[in-house]
Amino acid sequence: QSVLTQPPSVSGAPGQRVTISCTGSSSNIGAGFDVHWYQQLPGTAPKLLIHGNINRPSGVPDRISGSKSGTSASLAITGLQAEDEADYYCQSFDSRLNWVFGGGTKLTVL
Amino acid sequence: QVQLQESGPGLVKPSGTLSLACAVSGDSISTSHWWSWVRQPPGKGLEWIAGIYHSGSTSYNPSLRTRVTISVDKSKNQLSLKVSSVTAADTAVYYCARENHSTSGTPFDCWGQGTLVTVSS
Repeated sequence: QSVLTQPPSVSGAPGQRVTISCTGSSSNIGAGFDVHWYQQLPGTAPKLLIHGNINRPSGVPDRISGSKSGTSASLAITGLQAEDEADYYCQSFDSRLNWVFGGGTKLTVL
Repeated sequence: QVQLQESGPGLVKPSGTLSLACAVSGDSISTSHWWSWVRQPPGKGLEWIAGIYHSGSTSYNPSLRTRVTISVDKSKNQLSLKVSSVTAADTAVYYCARENHSTSGTPFDCWGQGTLVTVSS
């Protein structure tokens, strides 16, 4: 049971828009701590996708965006492409547990 | 370009101690960043284990605190991890990562490729 809750899976057709939610609590996201998102392709290390809730590192396309509200955050991917098929993880800081991750969401491009 | 490379035994016996090292290149471990270990059991999600600052300040996952030791060797520019009294539940890919304190929210912006450690007799 992860401290941050993500849907196990989401899917979409090429070109469509998908969102992945990350729900926390008053001791992490709701306490004002930033949310980061990582993409993990099969057999590889996680790669930073979004930091500080909404910021994209250089090289990450602008069809990928993040948002945060209250005790939740979301990752949105528009113009879905086959290369987006991967596992996605949210991360935040928890006042009791230090760094915590969501359970991960597998994105399938149909 | 910052690179992190984990190393260590791929097989550890139950009740033994898992020892890993992470060599950092392209950055000094004595900068303003923290450095962390994260693990991922096969087919499962990410779990933060521990973090360290070059001064020796540490933070641990409360669920692992009693069995884990993280340290830095500034002369070698590397960090290390020890997990004692291991069981099959400690079987995982172990990653080292940099917590970038120059970026909003201090994300983990650089990761090693990971090393699989299997606990088995």
